[in-house]
Amino acid sequence: AQSVSQHNHHVILSEAASLELGCNYSYGGTVNLFWYVQYPGQHLQLLLKYFSGDPLVKGIKGFEAEFIKSKFSFNLRKPSVQWSDTAEYFCAVIRDNNNDMRFGAGTRLTVKP
Amino acid sequence: DVKVTQSSRYLVKRTGEKVFLECVQDMDHENMFWYRQDPGLGLRLIYFSYDVKMKEKGDIPEGYSVSREKKERFSLILESASTNQTSMYLCASSFEETQYFGPGTRLLVL
Repeated sequence: AQSVSQHNHHVILSEAASLELGCNYSYGGTVNLFWYVQYPGQHLQLLLKYFSGDPLVKGIKGFEAEFIKSKFSFNLRKPSVQWSDTAEYFCAVIRDNNNDMRFGAGTRLTVKP
Repeated sequence: DVKVTQSSRYLVKRTGEKVFLECVQDMDHENMFWYRQDPGLGLRLIYFSYDVKMKEKGDIPEGYSVSREKKERFSLILESASTNQTSMYLCASSFEETQYFGPGTRLLVL
């Protein structure tokens, strides 16, 4: 079965630190990749997505993610985090354009001011 | 902007009660989804629907059913609520594979 792994359950950083959240998936076919964010008390929002083309994808709020096909990875990065980035981050994968989206377990990011 | 609304933000029910969770989207999306979100488990798909009156089981359909009588509305039904169904329930609709989520319903079953 296809699975999505997020390596870190909880990450704690100070403001201005750099962020990288790992995401790996197990399916070898065509995939579409997503990162969603859930701020405290708010609904899930799309941060960025990759369907094809340039494997380095830029999203909202200074986030970016890189698709590395050979590593089955889609890691999320931000050069300098802010306190307002405190949230839970979910990686998600759709395979073969079939609308069946699978989510990772989520990574909780706490940014200390 | 896509708007997905859910009928309740918080709900408290007793074991054995029948529970209805309603979801409405205003963007004429064909695909709609119900997930439950639990700490450490991420989102798990309960049911989804590609069209009116059409439904497909997700990963954890046991104890749940759904109804899609109109395109904009997708209802999740707990036939006889149990304590292990205490969770956050998220509804989503999708367009071109991108899913748009509602605010969630936090359900507590006592």
